[in-house]
Amino acid sequence: GNSVTQMEGPVTLSEEAFLTINCTYTATGYPSLFWYVQYPGEGLQLLLKATKADDKGSNKGFEATYRKETTSFHLEKGSVQVSDSAVYFCALSDRIQGAQKLVFGQGTRLTINP
Amino acid sequence: DTEVTQTPKHLVMGMTNKKSLKCEQHMGHRAMYWYKQKAKKPPELMFVYSYEKLSINESVPSRFSPECPNSSLLNLHLHALQPEDSALYLCASSREPGQDSYEQYFGPGTRLTVT
Repeated sequence: GNSVTQMEGPVTLSEEAFLTINCTYTATGYPSLFWYVQYPGEGLQLLLKATKADDKGSNKGFEATYRKETTSFHLEKGSVQVSDSAVYFCALSDRIQGAQKLVFGQGTRLTINP
Repeated sequence: DTEVTQTPKHLVMGMTNKKSLKCEQHMGHRAMYWYKQKAKKPPELMFVYSYEKLSINESVPSRFSPECPNSSLLNLHLHALQPEDSALYLCASSREPGQDSYEQYFGPGTRLTVT
């Protein structure tokens, strides 16, 4: 079945550092890809998405490019802030029984120190 | 309005209690979802409603009973739960069922503790 593999955390960086969180997927066809973020005590928020190969999603300084050749969707940010501390989930959209099902990676906990 | 609301925010219940979780959205979305999330894990899909009809049940125990009274509301009725059911329960919605390009919007969740 379809699956998502994320780099293991936790990840700890200093403020203004460059961030990369790796995400690779296994899927039949070309699913839509998403990055969601979960701040402590909250639900998930969509950070960005890409729906076809070579699409680049971007939001709040974060970017990710849908790479069909490497089946990857790595999340990057040039300069992180303390407020970016959260858990980040990579996900792909699968379709079963006519409905959408999100397949999540295990999540990467990010801590940014001032 | 791009908000999914959930009530209550916190719930503590005994194993013999009956309680309900409520979820509401006013975005005109026709797909709604229940997820269960344990600490330090990704959300696990429980149920999907498409056009107010149950379309996916991920082999969830019958002590969890979903209900979709109308296109804006989703309930999860709880009865005879076990301590291992303690978790964060998340509701989500998306514009159209089966359209994989549409993102899901999540509510803030209900933190459930079963004693």
